[in-house]
Amino acid sequence: QKEVEQDPGPLSVPEGAIVSLNCTYSNSAFQYFMWYRQYSRKGPELLMYTYSSGNKEDGRFTAQVDKSSKYISLFIRDSQPSDSATYLCAKIQGAQKLVFGQGTRLTINP
Amino acid sequence: DTGVSQDPRHKITKRGQNVTFRCDPISEHNRLYWYRQTLGQGPEFLTYFQNEAQLEKSRLLSDRFSAERPKGSFSTLEIQRTEQGDSAMYLCASSSTVPAHSGSTDTQYFGPGTRLTVL
Repeated sequence: QKEVEQDPGPLSVPEGAIVSLNCTYSNSAFQYFMWYRQYSRKGPELLMYTYSSGNKEDGRFTAQVDKSSKYISLFIRDSQPSDSATYLCAKIQGAQKLVFGQGTRLTINP
Repeated sequence: DTGVSQDPRHKITKRGQNVTFRCDPISEHNRLYWYRQTLGQGPEFLTYFQNEAQLEKSRLLSDRFSAERPKGSFSTLEIQRTEQGDSAMYLCASSSTVPAHSGSTDTQYFGPGTRLTVL
């Protein structure tokens, strides 16, 4: 079992829709969870990170962690074509090493 | 722009050749990481440095791979006797250490990557 599991998609939604992206993880020892966005042929860029359980909101993006079910979610409101990218969830392991999920490829259709 | 830079952006080589990649981190960052990403997968950790010290290496980093960070600034990743299975995007990231009591964590900033194709 991979430490971080993520549905690779692809996921295609119309512009303006609410997008829900999800990951599960297998080890409860970790407290920081990240969401990165990666455009084609670019390096990942950090969207936001959360500590422990709960929600964190930043503009149209909300990150949610449920430690009891080991579930990580990213919600995108009012999705835009420019949000089309691969979204990677990750957790911090050990000395700040990131462990990534497979990534979900998202397309927002105008 | 003072982001993470990597050179070259693309490298095509023949099996058995040696290749070297360079990463220049954000100037004030003391931590530097190398990851490898294959098509359709998330990045996988290879190794990391704090200043000039290499503190952790993944089992993915075979004997053919070596990384250095002389003087704690830029870093190089060398692959000797390349194999077709080495074809991937090699990503570098950097961060600065935050105090343990700050309630925060390092933010790793990634470079654009070096795409390696081994023929």
